[in-house]
Amino acid sequence: AQSVAQPEDQVNVAEGNPLTVKCTYSVSGNPYLFWYVQYPNRGLQFLLKYITGDNLVKGSYGFEAEFNKSQTSFHLKKPSALVSDSALYFCNYKYIFGTGTRLKVLA
Amino acid sequence: DTAVSQTPKYLVTQMGNDKSIKCEQNLGHDTMYWYKQDSKKFLKIMFSYNNKELIINETVPNRFSPKSPDKAHLNLHINSLELGDSAVYFCASSQTTGREKLFFGSGTQLSVL
Repeated sequence: AQSVAQPEDQVNVAEGNPLTVKCTYSVSGNPYLFWYVQYPNRGLQFLLKYITGDNLVKGSYGFEAEFNKSQTSFHLKKPSALVSDSALYFCNYKYIFGTGTRLKVLA
Repeated sequence: DTAVSQTPKYLVTQMGNDKSIKCEQNLGHDTMYWYKQDSKKFLKIMFSYNNKELIINETVPNRFSPKSPDKAHLNLHINSLELGDSAVYFCASSQTTGREKLFFGSGTQLSVL
């Protein structure tokens, strides 16, 4: 069965520090992978996607993600976290979503 | 103009009632979806339509019935509501299935008492 996994329920990071939110995938065919963010009482918003090409994908709000075929991972990163980045983050393949990771950025 | 709009935003009802949630997208997309987000924030696909044709129908009680009158609309009707149906229901759309990003509505918070 195809799946995406987010191994961490929550990630805490201090403001100004780099952040990583992890995602691994198990899919057949081309791994078209996406990251979305959900703020409280809102729908999900697109951050970035990997279709093909460069393994480092840049997205909205300074986020980027690194596609690693050998490790079947697609981790979300940001060099310097902001308190306003605190939200729920979802990894996605086609119509399948990971279980979500709550990011908390501490001032 | 809101790209994907769903109504109502909040729905509070008694067990056993029948209710509908409506969704409309003005993006010209071919594919629309219904997702259920539970209290743990897990997102589960329920249904997907492509050009008014049902293409995804996950294991969902047959009390839930989607209807797509045209490719811009996908409604969700729920019969005989149960306590366990309480959740946030999200409508989404995309240009195609799989390669393009999803656009989400703001959700319908359903509370069954």
